[in-house]
Amino acid sequence: TQLLEQSPQFLSIQEGENLTVYCNSSSVFSSLQWYRQEPGEGPVLLVTVVTGGEVKKLKRLTFQFGDARKDSSLHITAAQPGDTGLYLCGASSGGSNYKLTFGKGTLLTVNP
Amino acid sequence: EAGVVQSPRYKIIEKKQPVAFWCNPISGHNTLYWYLQNLGQGPELLIRYENEEAVDDSQLPKDRFSAERLKGVDSTLKIQPAELGDSAVYLCASSLVLSGNTGELFFGEGSRLTVL
Repeated sequence: TQLLEQSPQFLSIQEGENLTVYCNSSSVFSSLQWYRQEPGEGPVLLVTVVTGGEVKKLKRLTFQFGDARKDSSLHITAAQPGDTGLYLCGASSGGSNYKLTFGKGTLLTVNP
Repeated sequence: EAGVVQSPRYKIIEKKQPVAFWCNPISGHNTLYWYLQNLGQGPELLIRYENEEAVDDSQLPKDRFSAERLKGVDSTLKIQPAELGDSAVYLCASSLVLSGNTGELFFGEGSRLTVL
């Protein structure tokens, strides 16, 4: 069973600050996804990364997949209160296994 | 396009009572997932269906939990009898799985269960 470790577990920052959250494992993944979940809602996909070393940008969010495809990071520039939420990474080992396993998440609070 | 629909949104029951949750996935999605999520934690997979077949139910507590996906569309998750520790949000998700690709999971809003 692959284990995804997310850090930090909690993060509270002021509007305008930058931040990075991490998703690490000892397993190699065929793909990794980042989701954001707001209170009372289901998670919503932000990005999927599949290639080692891949970097994807989504406005102020930058996602990186590690060269060995075992880890990933999410960097947010100039955080805004609307970025508040639970950030989840989910990964699949691929092949015939389409099971998506999630980490415990990073709960981000951006204060105005 | 309608998203994943779950009901009920909230359910409060006493321990030892039964409860059932219903999920209508996005039309055309071949894979359906039930996840359990505790407060502030990530979702934990209970069961995954490919069409009408349960292909991964290793994390489903089969002594009290059951699920079905008749005709490969809607799904129900049942707990009988419920225990205090079952209080959580039950999330349903669906995706279109193609060869070699997990695909994007689309989640419903979840069913929040409180067992008293």
